[in-house]
Amino acid sequence: DTGVSQNPRHKITKRGQNVTFRCDPISEHNRLYWYRQTLGQGPEFLTYFQNEAQLEKSRLLSDRFSAERPKGSFSTLEIQRTEQGDSAMYLCASRGNGQKNSPLHFGNGTRLTVT
Amino acid sequence: AQKVTQAQTEISVVEKEDVTLDCVYETRDTTYYLFWYKQPPSGELVFLIRRNSFDEQNEISGRYSWNFQKSTSSFNFTITASQVVDSAVYFCALSEAKNTGNQFYFGTGTSLTVIP
Repeated sequence: DTGVSQNPRHKITKRGQNVTFRCDPISEHNRLYWYRQTLGQGPEFLTYFQNEAQLEKSRLLSDRFSAERPKGSFSTLEIQRTEQGDSAMYLCASRGNGQKNSPLHFGNGTRLTVT
Repeated sequence: AQKVTQAQTEISVVEKEDVTLDCVYETRDTTYYLFWYKQPPSGELVFLIRRNSFDEQNEISGRYSWNFQKSTSSFNFTITASQVVDSAVYFCALSEAKNTGNQFYFGTGTSLTVIP
C-alpha cells in the first residue's frame, strides 16, 4: 500500500491558462474523489468516480473543470481558463470497495496558485 | 445549511493537558457515519476515527477518545495528555448512507496548538 499519490505538489499558473493534475489512488480502491480546500476551510467535494464512471459532480464544478478516470485507475482533473478564485489545494482521495463506512484516504494534494 | 459545524476555530493548550474538540452535525438520514481527520502542517489529511450512527458506544483508543451523542447530534473528540505533535487542524466529517457516492461533508476545522 503506497498510499494516494498526487502530482504536481505545487502549480503556479497565470490567469487564463489551463492546468491538469494527476491522482494515483491506492491500487485496490475502486472509488476515487476530488476535493478542494481553501485556506481556513474544510475540504469541499468536487466529484466522485466508481471505477471509470463519474457518478457524482458538485455544483462547485463549473464547466471549466473536467475530471476523467479513463481506465478506472489514475484520474486527472483539468481546469481550463484558470481564474484567481481557482487558487486552492486540490485533494484526491480513494476508498476501499463496498463498505459505506470505509474512510477516505487522502493524498498530499496539489496546491494551485493562479496569478 | 452546514451539515457539520465545528464552532471552535482555534484552541491552545499546554502540553499534557486534555483537550476536547466539538463537532455538531445535521442529517435526516437514519444511517450515517462520522469521522475525525487530522491535518498537520505538512497538509495530508490523516484518518483518525470513525463511528456508525447505529453504534453509540463510546470508545478509547490510546490517547484518543470520542463521545457520540445522537440525541444532541454531537461527535466530540478528546485527546488526553496532549503532546506537541498533536498540533494540527482537526476536521470532523459526515457521510450519509443514502448518498450515491457516500461523499464526506467536512466541518471548517479546529486548529489545535499544543504549547510545550
